[in-house]
Amino acid sequence: GDSVTQMEGPVTLSEEAFLTINCTYTATGYPSLFWYVQYPGEGLQLLLKATKADDKGSNKGFEATYRKETTSFHLEKGSVQVSDSAVYFCALSDYTGGFKTIFGAGTRLFVKA
Amino acid sequence: DTAVSQTPKYLVTQMGNDKSIKCEQNLGHDTMYWYKQDSKKFLKIMFSYNNKELIINETVPNRFSPKSPDKAHLNLHINSLELGDSAVYFCASSHGQDGGGYTFGSGTRLTVV
Repeated sequence: GDSVTQMEGPVTLSEEAFLTINCTYTATGYPSLFWYVQYPGEGLQLLLKATKADDKGSNKGFEATYRKETTSFHLEKGSVQVSDSAVYFCALSDYTGGFKTIFGAGTRLFVKA
Repeated sequence: DTAVSQTPKYLVTQMGNDKSIKCEQNLGHDTMYWYKQDSKKFLKIMFSYNNKELIINETVPNRFSPKSPDKAHLNLHINSLELGDSAVYFCASSHGQDGGGYTFGSGTRLTVV
């Protein structure tokens, strides 16, 4: 079945450091790919998405490129801020007898001042 | 003007009790979901409704029963609560079933004692 694998956290960075959170997937169809962010005590918020190979999703300085050849959708940001501290979830949506979105296990990011 | 609102935000109850969580969305979306998030932040789909019709019913105990009176509401009723039901429950909605991006509620933290 479909699955999403994210790098384990927590990831701890200093402010202005470069961020990469790895995400790989397996899917039987042609999924759409997403990154969501969850701040403490809140629900998940859609951060960015890509619907086909080579698409780049971007929002608030975060980027991720849909790489079909490596089945990856790594999240990057050039310069993190303390306010980026949160849990980040990679997800895919695929049609396997009905649309379903599957989430990765989440990666917690701590950014120190 | 909250997009997806859940009530209550916190719920503490004894084992064996029956409780309900309500969810309403004002986005005009036609698909709604219930997810369970455990203490390690892992998110698992429980149910999905499209235009009041059940389309996803994962392996969830029969004690959990969703009800969708109209496409803007999806409530979750839980009978005979058990300790293992303690988690954060998230309601979400989307336009269409292809998961083009979910809008999540802020969650209901259920604690069974």
